[in-house]
Amino acid sequence: SQQGEEDPQALSIQEGENATMNCSYKTSINNLQWYRQNSGRGLVHLILIRSNEREKHSGRLRVTLDTSKKSSSLLITASRAADTASYFCATGRGNAGNMLTFGGGTRLMVKP
Amino acid sequence: EAGVAQSPRYKIIEKRQSVAFWCNPISGHATLYWYQQILGQGPKLLIQFQNNGVVDDSQLPKDRFSAERLKGVDSTLKIQPAKLEDSAVYLCASSSGVRGKVGHEQFFGPGTRLTVL
Repeated sequence: SQQGEEDPQALSIQEGENATMNCSYKTSINNLQWYRQNSGRGLVHLILIRSNEREKHSGRLRVTLDTSKKSSSLLITASRAADTASYFCATGRGNAGNMLTFGGGTRLMVKP
Repeated sequence: EAGVAQSPRYKIIEKRQSVAFWCNPISGHATLYWYQQILGQGPKLLIQFQNNGVVDDSQLPKDRFSAERLKGVDSTLKIQPAKLEDSAVYLCASSSGVRGKVGHEQFFGPGTRLTVL
């Protein structure tokens, strides 16, 4: 079963707009990761946030984590057509936090 | 730095046949993973190796799936016999597994797309 659930399942925006994707999960985690998947580059790691962190930034990406609500969000600012892809959250468990459970993904389309 | 290599990229077989996938992780990465990704879904972890030992295989259908990691480097995943529902992309990933650090970026290969007819 997939622990993470992304919302929305699909999102269509214009280039330059911001995109926000949400992830909810059920059991305790020690880290949460976001990945992007498109046909050109496969599945690529974007950002990792640990359970004792609340917010992280990487370039145009901003991730928040609320462990009390068991939820995370990914914000992409000033989106580009090249951001068109599926975005997955993955919750980490196990001693080293490496056993990832992926959600079903958000399919983002950025129109030029 | 070379990425995770997988072969073949595509495979079409009939049900009840057997198939094997090969993965070569990033050099020096101790941890190797096999995932199954069914169309429209997120990847599902099948098995995790730390060097040549199995860390977790709780979601591996052991009646038909097997995996090994010889000498802690390359790995093979086998399905025997295949069923229609095994049609999916099989992804291999590796991570460095630095001691004392919780959570590690995983690097994914291009995957093998399996079609079972």
